[in-house]
Amino acid sequence: NAGVTQTPKFRVLKTGQSMTLLCAQDMNHEYMYWYRQDPGMGLRLIHYSVGEGTTAKGEVPDGYNVSRLKKQNFLLGLESAAPSQTSVYFCASTNDRPARYGYTFGSGTRLTVV
Amino acid sequence: DQQVKQNSPSLSVQEGRISILNCDYTNSMFDYFLWYKKYPAEGPTFLISISSIKDKNEDGRFTVFLNKSAKHLSLHIVPSQPGDSAVYFCAASGGFQKLVFGTGTRLLVSP
Repeated sequence: NAGVTQTPKFRVLKTGQSMTLLCAQDMNHEYMYWYRQDPGMGLRLIHYSVGEGTTAKGEVPDGYNVSRLKKQNFLLGLESAAPSQTSVYFCASTNDRPARYGYTFGSGTRLTVV
Repeated sequence: DQQVKQNSPSLSVQEGRISILNCDYTNSMFDYFLWYKKYPAEGPTFLISISSIKDKNEDGRFTVFLNKSAKHLSLHIVPSQPGDSAVYFCAASGGFQKLVFGTGTRLLVSP
């Protein structure tokens, strides 16, 4: 089915370890986003991309890096994981009118840092 | 600074009655407002949106109202159904196609 696919779905990391979360979309969307969801905080934007080869910082970018080498993929990296990065991570993508039609979200990655 | 606020963390209604979810915002430059629905272990799904130049948009059982002078929007669900039980997020378009989300309201519709 067309949509946004996130891998992995679950992961437990030790403090200081690194990992990469993969987001893939098959809808030919230009814009892609990484959000984190924490209790009582809603969804907060980490990084986003307005096209292949571009990235930009969102509201809470510290401790994360991203890359968009291919239009369909948006990678989120944690170089040295910290317990504060325990969260549910959502990737989203859209065409050029997200405000009218909304984003398409993936099903999320639940990350625990111990 | 929370630009989009949902002050009610939860709401309980009976099946068949009206559910009203509220959202306040502070940035008068937002041009679109959206509502998303989220079930456990799933990503949010788009529900309905409204342009800042309108005051009402309706889609089936869902209606969104916008009061720009009060910087307030609300989502009405009529009639409410048990399958509507979920977390609802309001969001606002903040430029560069970025959305700013509220903290969510958990709706429980009981039979």
